[in-house]
Amino acid sequence: AQSVTQLDSQVPVFEEAPVELRCNYSSSVSVYLFWYVQYPNQGLQLLLKYLSGSTLVKGINGFEAEFNKSQTSFHLRKPSVHISDTAEYFCAVSPGGATNKLIFGTGTLLAVQP
Amino acid sequence: NAGVTQTPKFQVLKTGQSMTLQCAQDMNHEYMSWYRQDPGMGLRLIHYSVGAGITDQGEVPNGYNVSRSTTEDFPLRLLSAAPSQTSVYFCASSYPGLRGKAFFGQGTRLTVV
Repeated sequence: AQSVTQLDSQVPVFEEAPVELRCNYSSSVSVYLFWYVQYPNQGLQLLLKYLSGSTLVKGINGFEAEFNKSQTSFHLRKPSVHISDTAEYFCAVSPGGATNKLIFGTGTLLAVQP
Repeated sequence: NAGVTQTPKFQVLKTGQSMTLQCAQDMNHEYMSWYRQDPGMGLRLIHYSVGAGITDQGEVPNGYNVSRSTTEDFPLRLLSAAPSQTSVYFCASSYPGLRGKAFFGQGTRLTVV
């Protein structure tokens, strides 16, 4: 079975500071990895995804993530956050390339303070 | 572009009542899914479909039924609502070429009293 762990339920950070949101996964098969963002009272939208190839993936809004197979991690980073980045961030996997269904982590609320 | 449309946006039900949450997409996507979002639990897959006439269970299917008679529509039915089904429900659609990028609706906030 596959699972996704986001250990930080909330990450407070000051504006213009760097941030890292942590994600670890477990799977006995190869997976695709994703980060989705949910702004208040909205649905989710894709930030970035890792399918294969380069382990550093760049997404929208200046976010990037690094796939680390040995540590089974896919941490999300941004060098300088803005107030508008305040949202909930979800890490997800689709096991074995079964892209018709996603397994989500519990989410991390990024709270950017002025 | 309408994308994925969910109706209603809000609903209050009494225990034991039935209702259908509607989901429609206009992108001709083969894949459609229903998730529920609960505080501290992220999104959990309820049911999914890989095409018209084909549905399967996700992680938390009990208490919910689905059908997929057309590519566009994927309704979620609660036959006898329970307070444990109080949640925010999201519908999503995709297709193989998108390789995991799913389009989500705006959600339906359901309260069962």
